[in-house]
Amino acid sequence: NAGVTQTPKFRILKIGQSMTLQCAQDMNHNYMYWYRQDPGMGLKLIYYSVGAGITDKGEVPNGYNVSRSTTEDFPLRLELAAPSQTSVYFCASSSWTSGDTQYFGPGTRLTVL
Amino acid sequence: QQQVKQSPQSLIVQKGGISIINCAYENTAFDYFPWYQQFPGKGPALLIAIRPDVSEKKEGRFTISFNKSAKQFSLHIMDSQPGDSATYFCAASKETSGSRLTFGEGTQLTVNP
Repeated sequence: NAGVTQTPKFRILKIGQSMTLQCAQDMNHNYMYWYRQDPGMGLKLIYYSVGAGITDKGEVPNGYNVSRSTTEDFPLRLELAAPSQTSVYFCASSSWTSGDTQYFGPGTRLTVL
Repeated sequence: QQQVKQSPQSLIVQKGGISIINCAYENTAFDYFPWYQQFPGKGPALLIAIRPDVSEKKEGRFTISFNKSAKQFSLHIMDSQPGDSATYFCAASKETSGSRLTFGEGTQLTVNP
């Protein structure tokens, strides 16, 4: 099992550009999450999904969009990149069988200049 | 606003010493309190977790102490080792599987040899 994978590992964007952060899991987990991590701020939930076709906003959803067309994939879309979106982004997944444990991917470091 | 407050922000301990990290929460509906460990360049990983029906949980050198009346919980690392140097996050949630975790701000632990 690869677990939770994220691509790319690093990305530099110019202000106003768009991009999609990819996230995939091969554990057949029904729950998936996107977090951003900023220094001294912990992890903030951006969006989450309880299953294919179902998504909901987290604590800091502005400037982002998500979709969940399959159980495995949960991409995060940035439409108009802003410097405030410079952060490290983590995808995570969990399921009934994993209890409340969330399994995290290795992260994507995004810089918006 | 659901919040989890974590302290200290950083902690330096000598090898063999005890590391203590504290968290306080506001929402009395929270019923799951995990600690996550994160090494540089990696995603967080579950270290240990507790539910409010017990006041303490121990796994090896790691212990969670939980005080329901004070709405506080703490992580104790006994016989701290240089390999424990990492960032530690406390978190809380109020639902079962698929729960949305609210994270503390994180504590950067350094264990000197």
